[in-house]
Amino acid sequence: SQQGEEDPQALSIQEGENATMNCSYKTSINNLQWYRQNSGRGLVHLILIRSNEREKHSGRLRVTLDTSKKSSSLLITASRAADTASYFCATDLAGTYKYIFGTGTRLKVLA
Amino acid sequence: DAGVIQSPRHEVTEMGQEVTLRCKPISGHDYLFWYRQTMMRGLELLIYFNNNVPIDDSGMPEDRFSAKMPNASFSTLKIQPSEPRDSAVYFCASSLATLAGTYNEQFFGPGTRLTVL
Repeated sequence: SQQGEEDPQALSIQEGENATMNCSYKTSINNLQWYRQNSGRGLVHLILIRSNEREKHSGRLRVTLDTSKKSSSLLITASRAADTASYFCATDLAGTYKYIFGTGTRLKVLA
Repeated sequence: DAGVIQSPRHEVTEMGQEVTLRCKPISGHDYLFWYRQTMMRGLELLIYFNNNVPIDDSGMPEDRFSAKMPNASFSTLKIQPSEPRDSAVYFCASSLATLAGTYNEQFFGPGTRLTVL
């Protein structure tokens, strides 16, 4: 089945550095979303990028989408300790409202 | 708005018992999703509803699992009988489709941590 695979699985950086996470998927999509999950909490939506968009910004977040490579990246600039969380990409199954979530990247930002 | 509400937050039960998880979506949202999250399998979509009607239940693992949405403000996920391998965190999420029929973000509840002994 279609699934997003995040890379790396885990990432540890110092506060102030940039964090980049990648997501690859298997089939055509209408859009791709990124979510954050703090330990013991539900997922929180960060940003949505549509298949006809190549780049999108939201505050310190920058998302790119390359549909030819079936991949997306999430960049968090000037990271903070509060950014410590797991990050997931979610891709839609064309023609439905069904989303498949990736395996996630565990980000740890050291103060 | 209080967001998506799930109850209970934690549930510990013994194998063979019936378990009922509850969800109240955000008012006005027309899509409701049930997910299960485990370390081994990640986040899996179990079933989703549109305007209280189940659209896709292909993710429901077995007949022991059933879900209902009797009205726009309430949904249940039932496991009967429960087994230890059902131990997981179960999330409910809701969403509102745009007028253009495009996709919107999903709002997740805090989850129910289920432990089956």
